[in-house]
Amino acid sequence: DAKTTQPTSMDCAEGRAANLPCNHSTISGNEYVYWYRQIHSQGPQYIIHGLKNNETNEMASLIITEDRKSSTLILPHATLRDTAVYYCIVRVANRDDKIIFGKGTRLHILP
Amino acid sequence: GAGVSQSPRYKVTKRGQDVALRCDPISGHVSLYWYRQALGQGPEFLTYFNYEAQQDKSGLPNDRFSAERPEGSISTLTIQRTEQRDSAMYRCASSLDGISGGFPTGELFFGEGSRLTVL
Repeated sequence: DAKTTQPTSMDCAEGRAANLPCNHSTISGNEYVYWYRQIHSQGPQYIIHGLKNNETNEMASLIITEDRKSSTLILPHATLRDTAVYYCIVRVANRDDKIIFGKGTRLHILP
Repeated sequence: GAGVSQSPRYKVTKRGQDVALRCDPISGHVSLYWYRQALGQGPEFLTYFNYEAQQDKSGLPNDRFSAERPEGSISTLTIQRTEQRDSAMYRCASSLDGISGGFPTGELFFGEGSRLTVL
């Protein structure tokens, strides 16, 4: 079973910041938080990952709470092309492990 | 090729037939994963390999499903005696490295998938 909880769906106006929450209250100290998204029928696409520090790349920012029990993916200026299902995943750092996707959040960007 | 390649893209078969789905990962990628995805659902883990070694097959639904990666590159997912409930999108993903220095490295790169329809 997925170790994360995400809202089923969210709406965001085009041009605004989209903030997608994820709860991972049982996360272990050696587990990273990963975000992927899946646009329509394409395969999932990696966005960003982090351990405890906030991370930013050209696609998004990842904010992880100090207790690491939750995180937020931020798309700073959402466009219609950001409409997708967003998956939050936790993965153990110090050993190989299967990567489990949950049901994700369906994000609708509204024109 | 530049990305993960899966074939066939579409497969229609009759119940009871065997099917083989192929995945050609990105060159040099160590880890290879198989997932199954039903419409409206997230990818469901099936199995994964590091090089030629099958590390975890706990997601395979039953013994009709098997996978191999004999030379640590191309992988085949085989479904024997297909049933209608096997109909789904089967996705393969590869990763440059499973673990390096104790930290997960490299994201998963997914192929376009093989859509299986069992009549």
